[in-house]
Amino acid sequence: GDSVTQTEGQVTVSESKSLIINCTYSATSIAYPNLFWYVRYPGEGLQLLLKVITAGQKGSSRGFEATYNKETTSFHLQKASVQESDSAVYYCALSGYNTNTGKLTFGDGTVLTVKP
Amino acid sequence: DAGVTQTPRHEVAEKGQTIILKCEPVSGHNDLFWYRQTKIQGLELLSYFRSKSLMEDGGAFKDRFKAEMLNSSFSTLKIQPTEPKDSAVYLCASSLGGDTLYFGAGTRLSVL
Repeated sequence: GDSVTQTEGQVTVSESKSLIINCTYSATSIAYPNLFWYVRYPGEGLQLLLKVITAGQKGSSRGFEATYNKETTSFHLQKASVQESDSAVYYCALSGYNTNTGKLTFGDGTVLTVKP
Repeated sequence: DAGVTQTPRHEVAEKGQTIILKCEPVSGHNDLFWYRQTKIQGLELLSYFRSKSLMEDGGAFKDRFKAEMLNSSFSTLKIQPTEPKDSAVYLCASSLGGDTLYFGAGTRLSVL
């Protein structure tokens, strides 16, 4: 079946430093899954951060970027300069089987703590 | 616009009880999903509705879990009877029919 791996369960970064959260995927049900990053801020529900549907393309939102790399089956999340307000839980996900449904496969999440 | 609304936010149940979780999707969304989130298993799909029709009921959860969509603006998830292993956060999400989901804040269930 499909799977998404986030290797870091927790990441701590100082404010204004750069960030990378790793995500790799395995999609057996579909050749070109759609890839997502969702985020959950404290006290709030999961919300879409960014989505990329084409291999080789980059998505960006709120200063975060992620590039769909089919060769390495990766979709790492990066930000050049983090802020304290970026502290949240980040989930990588893919849409397999049928990209017309919300049947997503999620990674386990990475807790980001940004120190002032 | 109102987002996805889930009630209650917290639920405590004794083993063997029946509990019902509620969800109101974003107005106009055709698809509704119930996910369960635990530390061990992560996010797992429980049920999926399209235009009120049950499309998937998450095989492993068929036994004691039943999701219903009574109308296009309201869904329930019944767990009967509850077991301690059901302790988790239950998330409801909706979409316009594609794979971009809008999630509610979740219901945290504790089964004693």
